[in-house]
Formats: sequence, structure tokens, C-alpha cells
Amino acid sequence: GQSLEQPSEVTAVEGAIVQINCTYQTSGFYGLSWYQQHDGGAPTFLSYNALDGLEETGRFSSFLSRSDSYGYLLLQELQMKDSASYFCAVRSSTDSWGKLQFGAGTQVVVTP
Amino acid sequence: EAQVTQNPRYLITVTGKKLTVTCSQNMNHEYMSWYRQDPGLGLRQIYYSMNVEVTDKGDVPEGYKVSRKEKRNFPLILESPSPNQTSLYFCASSEQGYSNQPQHFGDGTRLSIL
Repeated sequence: GQSLEQPSEVTAVEGAIVQINCTYQTSGFYGLSWYQQHDGGAPTFLSYNALDGLEETGRFSSFLSRSDSYGYLLLQELQMKDSASYFCAVRSSTDSWGKLQFGAGTQVVVTP
Repeated sequence: EAQVTQNPRYLITVTGKKLTVTCSQNMNHEYMSWYRQDPGLGLRQIYYSMNVEVTDKGDVPEGYKVSRKEKRNFPLILESPSPNQTSLYFCASSEQGYSNQPQHFGDGTRLSIL
């Protein structure tokens, strides 16, 4: 089976940097994705890491260490609109290819 | 506009009354999936479909059925709904299921089973 752990909540002020960690246990790891979900809205894709290292997309970056079964999402120059829930998700290559498992989510609260 | 459309958006119904939540995508995607979202549990996959006529169970398939007769549609069927199926449901699609391409989500369907 698979399991993912991420913190339930993180609070930070505008302009700060927030790191959301995600540790996973899965056999046959294929890749780690991140999604953002605002209250009452649909999840939207942020980033994907298949290989070790940092992927940068504007103010958001995502990192993966396959040897440590660990990844993180880095939110820089926080803005009020970044207040949302963030989910990591993994796809396993030894489980059925189409299965995707999400973490429970990290609620990011940005304060003025 | 590229989108995933779910209907209804909200539904209150009673135990045992069969219901169907429709999902349609206009992006010619091969892969479609259903999730339920409950507080503190994140998104849990119910069923997915790699392509037409191919469906498989996710982590929480009990009490649900799906069908994929056409590429664009992937309805979720609750034959005999029960209160523990009260939840927020999302349909999603992506180009393919083999690579970790972005999933595009519908706006969600909030189901209340009394």
C-alpha cells in the first residue's frame, strides 16, 4: 500500500516563505505531484517531480528526494491569495498504473 | 473552454434511492477518475478509467459503480446510497494515465444522503 504524511496546517505572514513537507511510503514510486485547493473550489495542479531535485515555477518550487521518500513544496513571497489547502499525491508503478493517492492536505493560512 | 463538467452540483437525497452523478470532459482525455473528499482525509480515489471500456477500483470503491462507454463521459452511480456516502465528490481527467500529467478537476458535487 501507500501512505503520505504532510502537516495539517501552516500559518505565515504575507511576504514570508513556507515549506510544506510530504513524506511517502510506497512501493515502486513513480512521481510526486502537488495540488492547490481554495475553499469551496476544485483542486488545481501545481507541479510534478519524477526525479530528484528542485523544480521552480514562479513563486512556487517543488523538491524531491527519492532516497529519502520525501518532497516539499516551497511557497515564496506569500500572498493572501495563497491561503488554501495543498495536497501532495503519488502514483505507484507497482500498484495499478492508474491509481493516484493524495495526502490529507496542508492548510496554509496567510496573515497580513 | 477546456473543462470537466459535473452534474448535479448539489444533491440531497434519501437512503436507498439510486442516483447518478454525471461527468463529462471536452479535452479528449483518455484518463478519468472519481474522488471523494472528506474533512481530514484529503482526496480518496473511488474508481478510475485508463481509457474507454477500461475501469478499475481506487482505494474506496465500495458502494459505487462506474461505466465508461464513451471517452468523454464517466458517470458515478450509487445504487443504494447510504449516509456514509455523504461527501464532496470530484471528477478529474488527464491526457493519459500512464504518466503523471496534470489532472483537471470538475467543480465538485456535494452529496447529502439522509
